[in-house]
Amino acid sequence: GESVGLHLPTLSVQEGDNSIINCAYSNSASDYFIWYKQESGKGPQFIIDIRSNMDKRQGQRVTVLLNKTVKHLSLQIAATQPGDSAVYFCAEDPMDSNYQLIWGAGTKLIIKP
Amino acid sequence: GAVVSQHPSWVICKSGTSVKIECRSLDFQATTMFWYRQFPKQSLMLMATSNEGSKATYEQGVEKDKFLINHASLTLSTLTVTSAHPEDSSFYICSARGTSGDTQETQYFGPGTRLLVL
Repeated sequence: GESVGLHLPTLSVQEGDNSIINCAYSNSASDYFIWYKQESGKGPQFIIDIRSNMDKRQGQRVTVLLNKTVKHLSLQIAATQPGDSAVYFCAEDPMDSNYQLIWGAGTKLIIKP
Repeated sequence: GAVVSQHPSWVICKSGTSVKIECRSLDFQATTMFWYRQFPKQSLMLMATSNEGSKATYEQGVEKDKFLINHASLTLSTLTVTSAHPEDSSFYICSARGTSGDTQETQYFGPGTRLLVL
């Protein structure tokens, strides 16, 4: 049966609209942040990253915004497509010697036709 | 670039048997590899961190004698689930981090291995 645990927050967006996925991070010393996309049954896939000396970075159809004051990260996806359906995780890298990432809980993005 | 593979992609085994999962970095040298476990609808849970040529560092609550990790080369790490039981059924994912370029900064993930223990 299904494991008992946290259920992922879900965001439903109409196809073609813009999506905004939010993430609060925990470590004020974190220097590097990454967004990953995980499709069902697959491993996480790197989408975009940002360093703490930046507050915005753009990629193809995606933009990441970083607000260090309130320790908040967001991922904006423009003109959402069916292929964007996935779980999106933010991760922070405190850039310590362990090289470990601190993971957010994830947000499930559902695209409505 | 920065491709990580896992083998097998899924495995079904009987309770009490051992299962080995391989993680390979195909186009870069991975000095550090990570093993995660993921339950349905949950985030990734780090099990252990391994550096090439040295013993893995296990997270609290992860039995090192149960989950044997070997990182014998810069492109290969293995996770062996020993004496598997149904509660070990999960999705196991590896990631790798290298020493140059983008691989130095970011973890790149394998496709995952679905383990079902009967």
